Amino acid sequence: NAGVTQTPKFRVLKTGQSMTLLCAQDMNHEYMYWYRQDPGMGLRLIHYSVGEGTTAKGEVPDGYNVSRLKKQNFLLGLESAAPSQTSVYFCASSYPSWPLNTEAFFGQGTRLTVV
Amino acid sequence: EDKVVQSPLSLVVHEGDTVTLNCSYEVTNFRSLLWYKQEKKAPTFLFMLTSSGIEKKSGRLSSILDKKELSSILNITATQTGDSAIYLCAVVDSGGSNYKLTFGKGTLLTVNP
Repeated sequence: NAGVTQTPKFRVLKTGQSMTLLCAQDMNHEYMYWYRQDPGMGLRLIHYSVGEGTTAKGEVPDGYNVSRLKKQNFLLGLESAAPSQTSVYFCASSYPSWPLNTEAFFGQGTRLTVV
Repeated sequence: EDKVVQSPLSLVVHEGDTVTLNCSYEVTNFRSLLWYKQEKKAPTFLFMLTSSGIEKKSGRLSSILDKKELSSILNITATQTGDSAIYLCAVVDSGGSNYKLTFGKGTLLTVNP
């Protein structure tokens, strides 16, 4: 019962390098989200997707791009990493079925350090 | 822009104390409010609230929503050291056919023995 799986779990990047974080869910969820969590800042929404082939900007989208080519996968890209992007990144997914449940299920997080 | 404000931001109590955590919100199209507990890794779901005045309860934890005041509280009675965590409040905004989940900054609860 995998749920939401994020890869990698840890990564150290040099300033200017690029990378892609992968989120995969096996629950057939329509909605997927990428958040970043910094000390004292809670979870801030970067981008989200309401279905395959769709993406939308969240609260802090600058410096990130996303793609949802397959329903089960949501990729977060950093084209040119900056130290300000050092954070813990969480992916989440949900299948809102009103009025039953709208809870989001989270991956275990990716700790990214940009030096 | 959707806004979720939690208070206090941090709280230190002794085992056995009762705590009340607050969450207030401003969203365009409110659908539901969610509470999560986050220990070392991913947030884990506690409650979903959609209707005012109906208390949700799970063991020593309970929560209630007040749509008139645009707020919710999370109560923990007889706290234990295992309750130490960040408690996150999130609100679902369902503008149009979309649905967005916005989190507050969280309340860091520390329960000392």
